[in-house]
Amino acid sequence: NAGVTQTPKFQVLKTGQSMTLQCAQDMNHEYMSWYRQDPGMGLRLIHYSVGAGITDQGEVPNGYNVSRSTTEDFPLRLLSAAPSQTSVYFCASSYPAGGLDTQYFGPGTRLTVL
Amino acid sequence: DAKTTQPPSMDCAEGRAANLPCNHSTISGNEYVYWYRQIHSQGPQYIIHGLKNNETNEMASLITTEDRKSSTLILPHATLRDTAVYYCIVREGGGSYIPTFGRGTSLIVHP
Repeated sequence: NAGVTQTPKFQVLKTGQSMTLQCAQDMNHEYMSWYRQDPGMGLRLIHYSVGAGITDQGEVPNGYNVSRSTTEDFPLRLLSAAPSQTSVYFCASSYPAGGLDTQYFGPGTRLTVL
Repeated sequence: DAKTTQPPSMDCAEGRAANLPCNHSTISGNEYVYWYRQIHSQGPQYIIHGLKNNETNEMASLITTEDRKSSTLILPHATLRDTAVYYCIVREGGGSYIPTFGRGTSLIVHP
């Protein structure tokens, strides 16, 4: 299994540009989520999904959109990039076995918005 | 979910045990304690979790006080590769749950 994969690894955008961060998992996990991590900070939840067709907002959803059309993929869309969105983005997936799920994280996407 | 309190940083000598504390004084009976760690620039990695009893796996041990208000993650023989930020999370068992992470404890293992 490849686990959780994220593309691209690095991205530089100009203010106002839009882009999609890709996340895929091959473990047939129901739950997927997106976090952002700013320097010296913990991870903050952006959006999450508990299954195909179901998404919900986390702590910091503004400026981001998600959709979950398949179990495997959970893309994160930046609608109009702003410098405040410069961060490292992590995607994670988990399978709630008896309600006690553990999360698997991807390697991250490092985004800079100029 | 119960909140957790962790020291911002700790250090440990290589080969010695690293004991990382976590306070969760408002934990309820059906809430589990999870530990993750994040090595520099990588995604967080699951370590261990527990409810009441002490737990051990190939990575670490989790010791929980009898009143469950605090716990300690123990890395029995710390190596330089254990240098990371360690996150303690309390969550309910069952149902839809996506954890939130605080700032954790930055552990530095020195030679």
